[in-house]
Amino acid sequence: DAKTTQPPSMDCAEGRAANLPCNHSTISGNEYVYWYRQIHSQGPQYIIHGLKNNETNEMASLIITEDRKSSTLILPHATLRDTAVYYCIVRVNTGTASKLTFGTGTRLQVTL
Amino acid sequence: EAGVTQSPTHLIKTRGQQATLRCSPISGHTSVYWYQQALGLGLQFLLWYDEGEERNRGNFPPRFSGRQFPNYSSELNVNALELEDSALYLCASSLPDRGYTFGSGTRLTVV
Repeated sequence: DAKTTQPPSMDCAEGRAANLPCNHSTISGNEYVYWYRQIHSQGPQYIIHGLKNNETNEMASLIITEDRKSSTLILPHATLRDTAVYYCIVRVNTGTASKLTFGTGTRLQVTL
Repeated sequence: EAGVTQSPTHLIKTRGQQATLRCSPISGHTSVYWYQQALGLGLQFLLWYDEGEERNRGNFPPRFSGRQFPNYSSELNVNALELEDSALYLCASSLPDRGYTFGSGTRLTVV
């Protein structure tokens, strides 16, 4: 699986959009971008994933650049409960199960 | 739909003892993954079971082992416990090509 690079930490004011970047310059054509988050001492929570088109769900939006070498997770209206470590992972979807390799992630701190 | 359940939530063992952690995946999920997260550190991949078989293991010594039962539930066994085995152990299940669903973890403390 390709390696990802994320900033170690970010701050965001409550109510503002949080934009979390991820670089995956060695991504292969069949690798998807997945985002998870982990709130303190809980199990990680799946947020969203995509291949090349932008994706949106009730939690967030995922913007993937045209060359697929980077992506941005957008939390449109961050709240204090969004304070967590956010992990960007790339993974091949092969029609069978496969393991996820977590990096160090971005620690997002949402403040008043 | 019930999520991934792990038991026990907390476990205290003495150095040299054995620990057994259990995981029940979401109904219909055939793959179970185990991760270790030491305090303040990232998630380290431990083991992956699918359809009762061990598919992959991370860079951990053989005293970390496990199995998956016919109902797809799983056990993680840690033998000859060492102090540095103290960590949050997370289990996840998934369907192929889907996101993982994690349990709340078992916090193992070795004293």
